[in-house]
Amino acid sequence: QSALTQPASVSGSPGQSITISCTGTSTDVESYNLVSWYQQSPGKAPKVLIYEVSQRPSGVSNRFSGSKSGNTASLTISGLQAEDEADYYCMSHTSKPTPQWLFGGGTKLTVL
Amino acid sequence: QLVESGGGVVQPGRSLRLSCAAPGFTFSLYSLHWVRQAPGKGLDWVAVTSKDGTLEFYADSVKGRFTISRDNSKNTVFLQMNRLRGDDSGLYYCVQEVGAYGNFEYWGQGTPVTVSS
Repeated sequence: QSALTQPASVSGSPGQSITISCTGTSTDVESYNLVSWYQQSPGKAPKVLIYEVSQRPSGVSNRFSGSKSGNTASLTISGLQAEDEADYYCMSHTSKPTPQWLFGGGTKLTVL
Repeated sequence: QLVESGGGVVQPGRSLRLSCAAPGFTFSLYSLHWVRQAPGKGLDWVAVTSKDGTLEFYADSVKGRFTISRDNSKNTVFLQMNRLRGDDSGLYYCVQEVGAYGNFEYWGQGTPVTVSS
């Protein structure tokens, strides 16, 4: 199974909104509402931001939101802050050829 | 808190066994995963064991070489890695899935594995 496709980098200015896409296939993103998003700062373990496409764990800022259309999921960060500068990864469940989880290649967010 | 151990430097073709201890919570309530990250690279899901250990699934890249298991009486999950290859090198995270599928809520700090001759 191939990794999900994310842009290598995105950037935005403080206060702006940005969207990171995550493109999969009919056997993963499109078939399951089981897409999650993770934020990873340098030297740190990843942190979950979104699960089940659009659900936020308690304690995660409502500036982070998720959505999905067809085989593409998206993470939107509104009101960009300097502390949002990090790597972001999407993840989706797939059952082909066996149940497993696929990560995207990651997107580096730069806050200008 | 999840605490991984067992990483190190190993030659190609050899084996290594990772452990992840999780004191302080009801271990048997959660599915547990291993996720790895090669230096400077992205996240790579490796394997999962179900709450009671009866189900396990693997990434295609490790199937037949790696085995995940757990001992709920000792609050520990293991990853037995055989026939190691250079592309298995990386930081191996133990991850606790909480509530919903795909909610990888708790991560350890990782244990490093280097496969090199």
